[in-house]
Amino acid sequence: GAGVSQSPSNKVTEKGKDVELRCDPISGHTALYWYRQSLGQGLEFLIYFQGNSAPDKSGLPSDRFSAERTGGSVSTLTIQRTQQEDSAVYLCASSLAGKSNEQFFGPGTRLTVL
Amino acid sequence: KNQVEQSPQSLIILEGKNCTLQCNYTVSPFSNLRWYKQDTGRGPVSLTIMTFSENTKSNGRYTATLDADTKQSSLHITASQLSDSASYICVVSASNTGTASKLTFGTGTRLQVTL
Repeated sequence: GAGVSQSPSNKVTEKGKDVELRCDPISGHTALYWYRQSLGQGLEFLIYFQGNSAPDKSGLPSDRFSAERTGGSVSTLTIQRTQQEDSAVYLCASSLAGKSNEQFFGPGTRLTVL
Repeated sequence: KNQVEQSPQSLIILEGKNCTLQCNYTVSPFSNLRWYKQDTGRGPVSLTIMTFSENTKSNGRYTATLDADTKQSSLHITASQLSDSASYICVVSASNTGTASKLTFGTGTRLQVTL
């Protein structure tokens, strides 16, 4: 596709519910990243996928967060038992192989947990 | 601890004026520094990337500078336009240690260009 796409663009959920956020990276990009951007904060790294390698999950804040990338393309970030502090914009980015390459970001999913 | 600090936090300027945004970092070992522009409701878009040996790089009306000795970078915007209204994020990468978590993001400068 022309760029990284994410869905939904907005998600409002109740505390305790599970949510799934989707990312479609740029075709041909083997690296995929998830970030969280809270109001007034810098981007916070969550997880990184590169090809068939084991993902780098070192940024996931708790075991309620998980992500998968099927077929080396689409990725889903799942947050279980959502809490109010999970409210943020979740950004996905993709790049060609190698973390020094430019990351292209999607528009993000704004998650609001009531 | 790797940190990136940006100033000012926010800035309002008149259309046509110039402005300079600052980025100070304590990331080590340094690999590269990027400036991103993030429009409201959109993901960040890369403006410039600078490595250790580069001290100036331009992209249209945007000029970035890097002083690796003092660990400072600036982004200068010339003849500002209304469309420059956005957040500008400084991102510093540590030398490739094998994990994406070595990218350190600043909290950004919110620029508003007015008539």
